[in-house]
Amino acid sequence: DIVMTQSPLSLPVTPGEPASISCRSSQSLLDSNGYNYLDWYLQKPGQSPQLLIYLGSNRASGVPDRFSGSGSGTDFTLKISRVEAEDVGVYYCMQPQQFTFGPGTKVDIK
Amino acid sequence: EVQLVQSGAEMKKPGESLKISCKGSGYSFTSYWIAWVRQMPGKGLEWMGIINPSDSDTRYSPSFQGQVTISAEKSITTTHLQWSSLKASDTAMYYCARPRGGASSWYAFNIWGQGTMVTVSS
Repeated sequence: DIVMTQSPLSLPVTPGEPASISCRSSQSLLDSNGYNYLDWYLQKPGQSPQLLIYLGSNRASGVPDRFSGSGSGTDFTLKISRVEAEDVGVYYCMQPQQFTFGPGTKVDIK
Repeated sequence: EVQLVQSGAEMKKPGESLKISCKGSGYSFTSYWIAWVRQMPGKGLEWMGIINPSDSDTRYSPSFQGQVTISAEKSITTTHLQWSSLKASDTAMYYCARPRGGASSWYAFNIWGQGTMVTVSS
C-alpha cells in the first residue's frame, strides 16, 4: 500500500509571508507517461475540500497563482508565495493510484 | 453550472439501514466517475470507493469493501451510498466528488458535493 506523509502537520503562518508544505509518498507517483499523479486539496473550515493542484504542479481553474506545486517521484511540495487570511484550513495531498490522502496540514494565522 | 448536490443530514440508530444520494447536474453524467469520501468528526479524508455511472463499474477501498454499497441511477443522474446495518463508527460527513477529466480519469477531483452528515446513535 502507498503511504502518504505530510510535514508539518501544523503550520502557523503570518499574512504576507511564504509557506511550504511537504508531502512524501512511500512509492513513486511518477507514471511511465511522465506525469506525477499527486493532487493537493484545501479544506477550509466548514467547507468541502477544493482542488488546488493536480498532476503535481498544475493549478486548478480559479486557484490564485500564489499557490504552486512541485516535486517528482516521492517528494512533493506545495508553496504559498504570500499567505492570505483566506488560505487557512487543512491542506491534503492525495495520490490517486490507490486513493490515499495524506494526514493533512492545518494552516492557521499566528 | 456543474454541480453535485447531496441529500440532507441523517440521524439513525445502530443496526438501521441508510441510503444517501449525490445528484449530478450541468454535465454529461455518464462521462465522469464519481467518488465517495468519508470524514469522521475532527479527522482527515478517506476514500471509500468510486463508480462509473455509465456501467456501474465500482471499485472500493479495501477498508470499505463489504461495509458499504455504491450504486448509480443514470435515469436520475444520481449516485448512492448505502449501509445495510449502521454502526456508531459510521458517524461522519460523507462527500461525493467528480474528477475534472472524463473517461477513466481518477485524479484532480474539482467538483465536490456539499457533504451529508450521518449521525448514528442509540
